Amino acid sequence: KAGVTQTPRYLIKTRGQQVTLSCSPISGHRSVSWYQQTPGQGLQFLFEYFSETQRNKGNFPGRFSGRQFSNSRSEMNVSTLELGDSALYLCASSLNGLGGANTQYFGPGTRLTVL
Amino acid sequence: AQSVTQLDSQVPVFEEAPVELRCNYSSSVSVYLFWYVQYPNQGLQLLLKYLSGSTLVKGINGFEAEFNKSQTSFHLRKPSVHISDTAEYFCAVSEVGGTNAGKSTFGDGTTLTVKP
Repeated sequence: KAGVTQTPRYLIKTRGQQVTLSCSPISGHRSVSWYQQTPGQGLQFLFEYFSETQRNKGNFPGRFSGRQFSNSRSEMNVSTLELGDSALYLCASSLNGLGGANTQYFGPGTRLTVL
Repeated sequence: AQSVTQLDSQVPVFEEAPVELRCNYSSSVSVYLFWYVQYPNQGLQLLLKYLSGSTLVKGINGFEAEFNKSQTSFHLRKPSVHISDTAEYFCAVSEVGGTNAGKSTFGDGTTLTVKP
């Protein structure tokens, strides 16, 4: 099976712009989670989607949003970019995410740089 | 709420020496525990996980971890490390059921550097 894919791998934006990141989970996986990784804050949970519904959300401002399509592909959007949004954004998929026992498979990430 | 503390931010060790990466957690409910490895410019890869049963869990690449409920710890060990084990290691916890099911909390990571 193909692994989790994320596009684009690298992205450079300027403050105030918006950005959309894409994640394609492993075939058959219905849960997709997003994480932000920075040197200062480490790995922080953004949100989780399961069957097109947001099931869990971390402590991020409303500028961060996401959605999941019927084929389980997910997109994450960040509006009005700030310098502090520069980070590696990781997507992880799991079979159904229920109970947290399912193994999460991570993609390689999208490196976002905000200038 | 759950939290994870990785007690060492950096662990240098010589090749073929044993290593232990320490992880403590806090949660008001039962949890699942995970260790992940991240190589430079890559995503995270699962090393092992504890769901239930035997407290000693064996994972990939010769790693193992022991769940200690009384000490709320889940330390990662390897009896003999290789240069290729140089990477960042993350401990993570996920609640069993409840409103936070599916939401993983990660530690800050431990950088393991294996020297020749």
